Amino acid sequence: QITLKESGPTLVKPTQTLTLTCTFSGFSLSTSGVGVGWIRQPPGKALEWLALIYWDDDKRYSPSLKSRLTITKDTSKNQVVLTMTNMDPVDTATYYCAHKRPRGGDYDYWGQGTLVTVSS
Amino acid sequence: EIVMTQSPATLSVSPGERATLSCRASQSVSSNLAWYQQKPGQAPRLLIYGASTRATGIPARFSGSGSGTEFTLTISSLQSEDFAVYYCQQYNNWPPLTFGQGTRLEIK
Repeated sequence: QITLKESGPTLVKPTQTLTLTCTFSGFSLSTSGVGVGWIRQPPGKALEWLALIYWDDDKRYSPSLKSRLTITKDTSKNQVVLTMTNMDPVDTATYYCAHKRPRGGDYDYWGQGTLVTVSS
Repeated sequence: EIVMTQSPATLSVSPGERATLSCRASQSVSSNLAWYQQKPGQAPRLLIYGASTRATGIPARFSGSGSGTEFTLTISSLQSEDFAVYYCQQYNNWPPLTFGQGTRLEIK
């Protein structure tokens, strides 16, 4: 059974750096083909893909946010960490981590999400 | 970046009736398209991948069709639990992966 759960601050100030952790179980990020991604959703708005990390440490980022994002993994802890620098109120959103379906680009298992508010 | 456009924005359908949701890509995505269902306060749930393959545990009343730039999600006989927001997502040409803006399916 695959599960994922996001953790991190619920409130950050403008210009600060956000660090979110995705802790997962039911699969290993050392298995060929496995990937974990981050997707966000501002309140009342659509989904926006942010980043993906593969089992072999290959990484992909949204071009519009690439300069602000870093995704890393700790295979021994079953965790993926996303950092986003220079946070702005427009970055207020629910942030989800999700398991990428092997051999596909869709996401078959999602965490519950964590709401991050950017405000002074 | 491939832009995904969903229509209509809101669809009102009675329980038991058929619902047809559309998704258009700004350029061909082949069959590399997924559909998700999202209920209030919940994470998205994968329904369809590869344009027409149901994900594990998804009821047969959900079906997907299309290829290239035009896609359809059909719910054959709406149940009360099907009223939600639906998103399409392309994974043919990325990054970035891109989602549509969503279609809200509401009870008529």
